[in-house]
Parts: sequence; C-alpha cells; structure tokens
Amino acid sequence: EPEVTQTPSHQVTQMGQEVILRCVPISNHLYFYWYRQILGQKVEFLVSFYNNEISEKSEIFDDQFSVERPDGSNFTLKIRSTKLEDSAMYFCASSGLGQGAYEQYFGPGTRLTVT
Amino acid sequence: QQPVQSPQAVILREGEDAVINCSSSKALYSVHWYRQKHGEAPVFLMILLKGGEQKGHEKISASFNEKKQQSSLYLTASQLSYSGTYFCGTVGSNQGGKLIFGQGTELSVKP
Repeated sequence: EPEVTQTPSHQVTQMGQEVILRCVPISNHLYFYWYRQILGQKVEFLVSFYNNEISEKSEIFDDQFSVERPDGSNFTLKIRSTKLEDSAMYFCASSGLGQGAYEQYFGPGTRLTVT
Repeated sequence: QQPVQSPQAVILREGEDAVINCSSSKALYSVHWYRQKHGEAPVFLMILLKGGEQKGHEKISASFNEKKQQSSLYLTASQLSYSGTYFCGTVGSNQGGKLIFGQGTELSVKP
C-alpha cells in the first residue's frame, strides 16, 4: 500500500541553524501539507501546497519557514533559523484531491530537537 | 478556532462502548477522525462530509450533525488495539483542505 515517507526520523540541531525536513508524498497525490505536534499537544496545521504554490498557511508559518517541491517526488520544509520552540514532531501529509473532501495520509514524522 | 472534543479521556474495559464528541462553533465542510498511538503518526479512520451522513469502519462508526456542527465517533465492543488518542480534524467551509484538530481524547482499553 502506498505511503508517505519522511526523512530524517530524528534531527537534532542547534538554535539558529537551518534545517530541511524531507517528505515523499504518495505518488499520484496532488495536495501536500505540513503539520507539527509539540510533545503532548494537538496536531497543528502549518501549510498546504498545491500546483507548486502555497494554498494556505497558518500564523505559525512565518518568514522563517518555507516549502518547496524541488522535483516530481520530494516536498520539503525548511526552517531558516531554528528556535527552541520549533522543537516538535513534524508531519507531512498528502491527499489525492483537496478542498477537505478527501482523506489526508500522514507520514511517520520527523522529530526535530533544537538545543 | 479549534473544535472542542469531549471527553478528554476515557477508560474502558475490553468489550465496552464509547462515544467521543467533536463540536465546532464554525460552519463545517467536513470532519476527519484520526487515531494516534504514542510516538506514531495519526492514522486516518474516516471522513464525514456535510450532509449529516453516518459512516462505519468495522466496529467504529461516526456521524455528523450539520445543524449542530457536531460529529460523534462511536466505538463498539472495544478491543485493546483501540487504545490511543483520538483526534477530530475539521475543515471549514471555504477553507480548502486545512485540517484544524481538536485537543484529542485519550482512550485506554484495559483487559
């Protein structure tokens, strides 16, 4: 069964460093998302992406964050200058179609630890 | 504005039933239910679109009351594997596919 994959599974970085989290969505999906989950809390929406551009973004997704689909398979989240409060589990999700009528499949997540 | 889930936590014995509710103050287009086990990704259970439908998935079913902007997840004859945190994610009208999650309901099923 097709699945969303993410790398790395765990990333440790120092405050102020740049990190890139990578995701390979399900191959025929068109809508891509990033969510994050601080330990013990709910899942929070960061950004949605369709047709090579951002569809929506949350207040969390400020100028320090960016997303890219550099080729036909990868979808990346970059944090330019990490802060301690960026420590969280980051989930990538993809959906065959958008507008909230179709299921979003989540990847296994990347645990980001900022020290 | 995030949906509100109730209860926050529930403990069941194997074979017992449970209901988890998810309420929103905003008009909803769809409600998505996920189960997350500790340290793992949320796993999709089912999606309900506005129109008041009810869906089933083995012994887990859900309903969506469009008038009340409320969805309920029904777990019948619970099994140990049902343990985890259940999240509802809502998509508002005219809000694309952005999922706004509730705070979660922790379900523990004991033998």
